[in-house]
Amino acid sequence: NAGVTQTPKFQVLKTGQSMTLQCAQDMNHNSMYWYRQDPGMGLRLIYYSASEGTTDKGEVPNGYNVSRLNKREFSLRLESAAPSQTSVYFCASSESGGLNSPLHFGNGTRLTVT
Amino acid sequence: GENVEQHPSTLSVQEGDSAVIKCTYSDSASNYFPWYKQELGKGPQLIIDIRSNVGEKKDQRIAVTLNKTAKHFSLHITETQPEDSAVYFCAASIMGNQFYFGTGTSLTVIP
Repeated sequence: NAGVTQTPKFQVLKTGQSMTLQCAQDMNHNSMYWYRQDPGMGLRLIYYSASEGTTDKGEVPNGYNVSRLNKREFSLRLESAAPSQTSVYFCASSESGGLNSPLHFGNGTRLTVT
Repeated sequence: GENVEQHPSTLSVQEGDSAVIKCTYSDSASNYFPWYKQELGKGPQLIIDIRSNVGEKKDQRIAVTLNKTAKHFSLHITETQPEDSAVYFCAASIMGNQFYFGTGTSLTVIP
């Protein structure tokens, strides 16, 4: 039982390049989330998907797009990377919103944009 | 939206002592409060959570208290051990929908 799996673990991009961060969960969870973690800022929600087929913006969605490919997979795309997007990105899943169920996190993708 | 504040940002304690981390929240509709532990290079892991119909919850050396009137909740770790050294995050949520996190507390347990 792998839980939440994120790929890649590390990535270096040049300004303007694009990339997609992949996330998959094997817990049959309905809700999935993308967070970014910056020093002194805690975890900030980028986008979330309450259920398959739906996506919603979080606190800091600018510069990102998401796709809920199926129940298991939720990807995050940076179309034109900027240095301000240097961060650690975490994918999380939960059984369902509305049930007070906790988030389960992956181990993160460390992204550097030069 | 919800605003969660967490203090202190760093905390050092001697092994065997207790550690307390405090959080406040702004939205009285928040009703679910999980705590996460993050070790270096890993994602946050849930260690304990509390719902707003409960004032206190304990799990071995870890306890969480909630004061809904004052809108604050705290994590208590007793008999600290070196393996408790990590970054701890509190969070607040309305019905398990969007989660709002504090800025983290880096706990160091000195052997």
